[in-house]
Formats: sequence, structure tokens, C-alpha cells
Amino acid sequence: AQSVTQLDSQVPVFEEAPVELRCNYSSSVSVYLFWYVQYPNQGLQLLLKYLSGSTLVKGINGFEAEFNKSQTSFHLRKPSVHISDTAEYFCAVIGNAGGTSYGKLTFGQGTILTVHP
Amino acid sequence: DGGITQSPKYLFRKEGQNVTLSCEQNLNHDAMYWYRQDPGQGLRLIYYSQIVNDFQKGDIAEGYSVSREKKESFPLTVTSAQKNPTAFYLCASSTISGGRHEQFFGPGTRLTVL
Repeated sequence: AQSVTQLDSQVPVFEEAPVELRCNYSSSVSVYLFWYVQYPNQGLQLLLKYLSGSTLVKGINGFEAEFNKSQTSFHLRKPSVHISDTAEYFCAVIGNAGGTSYGKLTFGQGTILTVHP
Repeated sequence: DGGITQSPKYLFRKEGQNVTLSCEQNLNHDAMYWYRQDPGQGLRLIYYSQIVNDFQKGDIAEGYSVSREKKESFPLTVTSAQKNPTAFYLCASSTISGGRHEQFFGPGTRLTVL
């Protein structure tokens, strides 16, 4: 079984400032990690994913995340945010048990990012 | 364009009624999922299906039922046994082979019980 903790429920920030949304996970097996974004009353859109390889992952809209296995973290960062980045962000994990995975995503509770002018 | 459609976008139900939420995908994905979203709780898995005519309970299946008669369709019925059905419901789909685990989400259905 795995679990995901998003350490901040809300993050306010001014436009053009940097932002970091924190995500920690626990799992007894190796994992695949994801960040999704949700705009009000819409579905989820994938921002980026870590499956293997380089621990620094770049995604859409200028976001990136770094997988840190020793700290079991997958924090999301953006160097300069825009008003349009205001949304809810979800970290999610799938356990990778020997290559067989039915794709059950476990989600964090979400972080609401609010960008102020 | 390929994608996932959910209907209706908003649904109102009286207590004691069953309602069915539609989910259709044209991505040729084998697996489909239903999630429930409540404020501050993230997404919780209700049911999932990896193949036609087969499905498994997720973490919160009580009061819900599903069917998977076609690869493209995975309807969710919210029954009168679900004690607190007001929520935002999201359908998703994914491939299950080749290590591609990305799930694609539909736009959601907001169910309100009056």
C-alpha cells in the first residue's frame, strides 16, 4: 500500500514569484509519481510524471519536479508563476510491484495555489 | 479528437433515487476508473475495470455499482444506499501495458442530492 501527503493545503503567492508545492509519499515498493492540475469545475490534467531515469522532470506550463528517493519526496516547482496558474494541484503515486500494476493511483489531499497580482 | 466525455455535467437527485453517470472514452484504453472528489480529501477510487465484463471495488464502493459491457463505456450508478452522494465524480482511463500509467480524466459530473 502507498500513501501521499501534500504538506500545504493552500499556498498564496504573488505573480512572478517562485513557488514550491510539497509532496511526500510512502510505499513498500518502488513507485511512479505524478502531478496533476485541476481548474475549477474541471477534470484533472497531467502536469508531469516520473517513471524512471533522470530525477528532475520537466512538465507543461513551465513546471518541474524532483524525485528524491532518500527523502521520499516529489516537490513541484515553478520559478515564476502567473495568474493563470491559480488552481488545485494533486500529487499522486502508483506502486510498481515487479512490472505489474493495475494503475491504482493514490492521491494527496490537494494544494490550492492562489496567485495574486 | 480523442478523449473522455462525462454526462451530465450537473445532476440533481432526490433522496431515495438511483442515478447513473455516463463515461465514454475513444482513446482505446483498456482500463477505466471512477473517482469521487470531496473538498480537502483528494480523489478516492470507487471502482475500476481493466477489461470488458470485469471490474473491481476500489476504496469506497459501498452504495455504488458499475458495468463494463463495452470497452468504451463505464457507467456509474449511485444508489439510494449511498448515504452521502453529493460530490464531484471523475472518470478516468489508461492503458495497462508497456509501463504507461498515465490516467486521462474526463471533465467530471457534479451530483447534488436535494
